[in-house]
Amino acid sequence: EAGVAQSPRYKIIEKRQSVAFWCNPISGHATLYWYQQILGQGPKLLIQFQNNGVVDDSQLPKDRFSAERLKGVDSTLKIQPAKLEDSAVYLCASSLGWSSGELFFGEGSRLTVL
Amino acid sequence: DQQVKQNSPSLSVQEGRISILNCDYTNSMFDYFLWYKKYPAEGPTFLISISSIKDKNEDGRFTVFLNKSAKHLSLHIVPSQPGDSAVYFCAASSFNNNAGNMLTFGGGTRLMVKP
Repeated sequence: EAGVAQSPRYKIIEKRQSVAFWCNPISGHATLYWYQQILGQGPKLLIQFQNNGVVDDSQLPKDRFSAERLKGVDSTLKIQPAKLEDSAVYLCASSLGWSSGELFFGEGSRLTVL
Repeated sequence: DQQVKQNSPSLSVQEGRISILNCDYTNSMFDYFLWYKKYPAEGPTFLISISSIKDKNEDGRFTVFLNKSAKHLSLHIVPSQPGDSAVYFCAASSFNNNAGNMLTFGGGTRLMVKP
């Protein structure tokens, strides 16, 4: 069974530029999550999708971050414009359903903002 | 306000000995607890979990203990192996009618098992 796929693995941009990350969850997983992990900290939930609908985006900085999951499968997370403090690993995870506590994570996309 | 805390950023243990990783939480609504393991340049992988109706769950070398009155859980690894060297994240979950199970992670503990 293929795992959660993410790209790109690494991205370096300058502040005020934009960046987009892509995630393809495990086949059949209805719930998709984007987490931000700053160095030395635990993952922090940014947004959670159930199929193609948003169920929680309370911690997403909506002035600069956006995410979509148009067909209920893969998803993109965009940052525009980026700030220095956005430097982090962006982790995508999926689960069978929203009642499942076990998440399956991708390898992450490491963003460095200069 | 950190609802899940791992107060030890790192832990060093000799191979064959026991590793004990600790986690404290503040939200009494949490009812499901998980441990994830993370190797460098990889995403976290699920290790073991425990429901709030239990106080112990064992899976091979890994045992998780839950003390609800103290809002404390711990992960025991016996015997520790060099391959266990990784960052371990504690996570707690509460069910939300709108969003289902929502995980809150601790800051992680880096375990180093020395040969």
